[in-house]
Amino acid sequence: SYVLTQPPSVSVAPGKTARITCGGNNIGSKSVHWYQQKPGQAPVLVIYYDSDRPSGIPERFSGSNSGNTATLTISRVEAGDEADYYCQVWDSSSDLWVFGGGTKLTVL
Amino acid sequence: EVQLVESGGGLVKPGGSLRLSCAASGFTFSSYSMNWVRQAPGKGLEWVSSISSSSSYIYYADSVKGRFTISRDNAKNSLYLQMNSLRAEDTAVYYCARGADYGSGSYYVYWGQGTLVTVSS
Repeated sequence: SYVLTQPPSVSVAPGKTARITCGGNNIGSKSVHWYQQKPGQAPVLVIYYDSDRPSGIPERFSGSNSGNTATLTISRVEAGDEADYYCQVWDSSSDLWVFGGGTKLTVL
Repeated sequence: EVQLVESGGGLVKPGGSLRLSCAASGFTFSSYSMNWVRQAPGKGLEWVSSISSSSSYIYYADSVKGRFTISRDNAKNSLYLQMNSLRAEDTAVYYCARGADYGSGSYYVYWGQGTLVTVSS
């Protein structure tokens, strides 16, 4: 089955740029979606189709996808961005949704 | 305003059954795919099952296939998850989530707040 690999944690200082990766075999050929989840809350979609932002999501959030790695980039990081982030793809060869293991973003 | 409200969670013994419901409002329920996602305590998100808008396409994670059944009632704006032969490892918060369109392969735009299922003797 298809596997998505994320780093367990990423730390960044306020105002800097955070990059969270999501690795998968030829993931560049798939559409990647990203979700943010704060403690005790339901997930929130922050990026869909690799790089599109839903309404209400700040422009500081962006995404890219190529080769074997998709990346969620958060610019000018704020304390309120501290959360767990999950990547997701639809594996059409198996008709299965796959989530990455999640990355905890810590704002120093 | 889109709302998804899960219910039906609780404590159940191993081998037991439970039926989760998700009441939807604020959108045309029959036009969108729906999904169940779970999260074990302190763990990440795990996809459970998806159903297309007309129930024509249904998919399950290998971990629940043969034990769980997803269904929907478009007349009642409701999504269901029948869970049988429950195991300790099924303990989790179960979220329902709405897809972006009618197909099961569309990303999840809206999520409910979840309902906790605990499987323990």
